[in-house]
Amino acid sequence: GDSVTQMEGPVTLSEEAFLTINCTYTATGYPSLFWYVQYPGEGLQLLLKATKADDKGSNKGFEATYRKETTSFHLEKGSVQVSDSAVYFCALSSNTGNQFYFGTGTSLTVIP
Amino acid sequence: GAVVSQHPSWVICKSGTSVKIECRSLDFQATTMFWYRQFPKQSLMLMATSNEGSKATYEQGVEKDKFLINHASLTLSTLTVTSAHPEDSSFYICSARVPGPPMNEQFFGPGTRLTVL
Repeated sequence: GDSVTQMEGPVTLSEEAFLTINCTYTATGYPSLFWYVQYPGEGLQLLLKATKADDKGSNKGFEATYRKETTSFHLEKGSVQVSDSAVYFCALSSNTGNQFYFGTGTSLTVIP
Repeated sequence: GAVVSQHPSWVICKSGTSVKIECRSLDFQATTMFWYRQFPKQSLMLMATSNEGSKATYEQGVEKDKFLINHASLTLSTLTVTSAHPEDSSFYICSARVPGPPMNEQFFGPGTRLTVL
């Protein structure tokens, strides 16, 4: 069945460091891919998405490219800030939208 | 954009009582809503799919009689945790699927933190 495998954390970086959080997926058909961010005590916020192969999602300096050949959707940011400290979830949605599969989440802490 | 709200945002109750959590789509009609549960430092687990005007579809291992779901209108789904116990303490998140393309996108509510004493 469909699934998402996400890099385990926690990840601790210094401010302005480069961030990569790996995400790979297994799916039939043509899923959509998402990155969500969850700040402490809050719900999920959509960070970015890509709906087809080679699409690049971007938002707030974060980017991820839908790579069908490597079944990956890695999250990157060139220069992280303390305010980026949160838990990041990679997710996959089936064609029908009836199933949403989440990765285990990666906790990011950015220190000044 | 599509906005989903939840009420209450947090609730504390005594063991044995029932708690109702509401999920509303504020600016769109949602024929399908989803309920998730999240344990501390873990990912979201889909509990059930709520369909307007029909019975909810529960995931394997989720007790139907324990977690009652009612999707009475196109903008409201409710989750009632019946006879709550401390092990039901968790973060409950709902989502709604926006009708029309892309059909595979869901919008999430802010979550409800339930603590059962």
